[in-house]
Amino acid sequence: AQSVTQLGSHVSVSEGALVLLRCNYSSSVPPYLFWYVQYPNQGLQLLLKYTTGATLVKGINGFEAEFKKSETSFHLTKPSAHMSDAAEYFCAVSESGGYQKVTFGTGTKLQVIP
Amino acid sequence: DTAVSQTPKYLVTQMGNDKSIKCEQNLGHDTMYWYKQDSKKFLKIMFSYNNKELIINETVPNRFSPKSPDKAHLNLHINSLELGDSAVYFCASSQEAGGLTGELFFGEGSRLTVL
Repeated sequence: AQSVTQLGSHVSVSEGALVLLRCNYSSSVPPYLFWYVQYPNQGLQLLLKYTTGATLVKGINGFEAEFKKSETSFHLTKPSAHMSDAAEYFCAVSESGGYQKVTFGTGTKLQVIP
Repeated sequence: DTAVSQTPKYLVTQMGNDKSIKCEQNLGHDTMYWYKQDSKKFLKIMFSYNNKELIINETVPNRFSPKSPDKAHLNLHINSLELGDSAVYFCASSQEAGGLTGELFFGEGSRLTVL
């Protein structure tokens, strides 16, 4: 069975500082990994995804994440936080093959302090 | 044009009532989903349909009944509403079940409040 653990339900950073949101996963087969962002009163939208190939993936709005199989991690980073980055971020995993069932983490709320 | 649209966006109702939420996607996707997001933002899959066929049915009370008249529509009907049903319900779609893209496209959510 697959699962996702997001460390830290709330993260606060200053504007211009590094953003680091942590995600660890568990999967019995090679995983597909995703980061989604949810702005207030909106649905989720995909930030970036890892399926196969290059382990460092770049997404929208300057975010990137690195798949580390040895650490079963897929942490999300951004070099410099903007006020507009304030939102809820969800890490998710699905298992390659078969019918797709995406399992989400519990989310991390990012606060950006001016 | 909105890719995945849900109606209504807000729904306030009394315990014991029956209500429906409708979802339509214009992306040409074969697979649609219903997710429930609780007050702590935890997102849990409820159902998934692939080309009108039910493929995922999580442990959900049978008061919840999905219906897919065609692959572009997936509705959710809830009977005998309970306080614990209060949540935001998200419809989503993806290009294919078990596909390589893995990307879900979400609607804006339907906030259900049961009084």
